[in-house]
Amino acid sequence: DSGVTQTPKHLITATGQRVTLRCSPRSGDLSVYWYQQSLDQGLQFLIQYYNGEERAKGNILERFSAQQFPDLHSELNLSSLELGDSALYFCASSVAFGDGEQYFGPGTRLTVT
Amino acid sequence: KNQVEQSPQSLIILEGKNCTLQCNYTVSPFSNLRWYKQDTGRGPVSLTIMTFSENTKSNGRYTATLDADTKQSSLHITASQLSDSASYICVVSLSGGYNKLIFGAGTRLAVHP
Repeated sequence: DSGVTQTPKHLITATGQRVTLRCSPRSGDLSVYWYQQSLDQGLQFLIQYYNGEERAKGNILERFSAQQFPDLHSELNLSSLELGDSALYFCASSVAFGDGEQYFGPGTRLTVT
Repeated sequence: KNQVEQSPQSLIILEGKNCTLQCNYTVSPFSNLRWYKQDTGRGPVSLTIMTFSENTKSNGRYTATLDADTKQSSLHITASQLSDSASYICVVSLSGGYNKLIFGAGTRLAVHP
């Protein structure tokens, strides 16, 4: 158990809908990262937050957005969902925003039908 | 373009045997190289992290090597166990003040009795 929690574990929704994925980092970690892993694909970095502020952006679509709240939990919002958005979404956390170890959560499996 | 390539794509070995997984990268500026183990449907778990000055790092039956000159790394698994069946992901971290990771596609290892 990495100490990173993600909810929900599974999510099934229809095309065009909007969903919110939630992540709680390990106690004491200030950075949160979001990754997408499509079927049989490698992980793709989406976005990083550090202490409430956006720090780095990867291959995140404009339909996707994220935020980190004062209690350091983070939410990833996915809107106008398409079939291709079906994937595992992982959250990771680290103490700072440098090159430290990242600890991954169990992931949320999103299925868009 | 920053890339991490792994080989082989998949591997089947018998329990008790050794194996070596390869990783080549073209990432700049380089900060460190990590190997993760990812069980199916679970979040990645860190095995080793190496900076450019480290040639070898071990974690139990897992030994990672790094040649920063040729930009190659390997992960050697000794006396494999059934529980080693997983995907092994090579990840290179970019330097520059933020913790951005470039993921390889992974090697899927199956250990058979």
